[in-house]
Amino acid sequence: NAGVTQTPKFQVLKTGQSMTLQCAQDMNHNSMYWYRQDPGMGLRLIYYSASEGTTDKGEVPNGYNVSRLNKREFSLRLESAAPSQTSVYFCASRQAQSTDTQYFGPGTRLTVL
Amino acid sequence: GDSVTQMEGPVTLSEEAFLTINCTYTATGYPSLFWYVQYPGEGLQLLLKATKADDKGSNKGFEATYRKETTSFHLEKGSVQVSDSAVYFCALRYNFNKFYFGSGTKLNVKP
Repeated sequence: NAGVTQTPKFQVLKTGQSMTLQCAQDMNHNSMYWYRQDPGMGLRLIYYSASEGTTDKGEVPNGYNVSRLNKREFSLRLESAAPSQTSVYFCASRQAQSTDTQYFGPGTRLTVL
Repeated sequence: GDSVTQMEGPVTLSEEAFLTINCTYTATGYPSLFWYVQYPGEGLQLLLKATKADDKGSNKGFEATYRKETTSFHLEKGSVQVSDSAVYFCALRYNFNKFYFGSGTKLNVKP
């Protein structure tokens, strides 16, 4: 099992460009999450998907959209990137509402110039 | 609202020293509490957890006790190793689906 995979690992964008971060899990988990990690601020929840077909906003959803393509895949889209979106992005998955443990991907380091 | 506050780092210790990383929380109800660890260049991994008051989570020599009276979940280890050098995050689950993370504490262990 690969666990949670994310692509790309690194990306540099110019202000105003768009891109999609991909996340996939092979553990048959129901819930998936997108976080951003900024220095001194820990992880902040952008969006999550409690189950296939549902998505909800987290703490910092502005400037992002998500798609739960199927049970395995959960993508994060930046429609018009801004320098404030420079961050490390982590995807995570969790089996069900009754379980606590999240499993994290290796992260995507995004720089917006 | 719900939140987690953990001690700022970095924390620098010599090998075999005792470790404490403080974590306090604010929450309505009784959240589940967690410690995650992040090694350089990697994603977060669950280190330990506790789901109710007075529970003690433990793993790899690390321990933390859920203290409702002091709203704390401090991480401890009796004898740290160089391989424990990482960033440690305290976290809580504040409804069925959402998690709050602290800002992280970087631990450096010197041989």
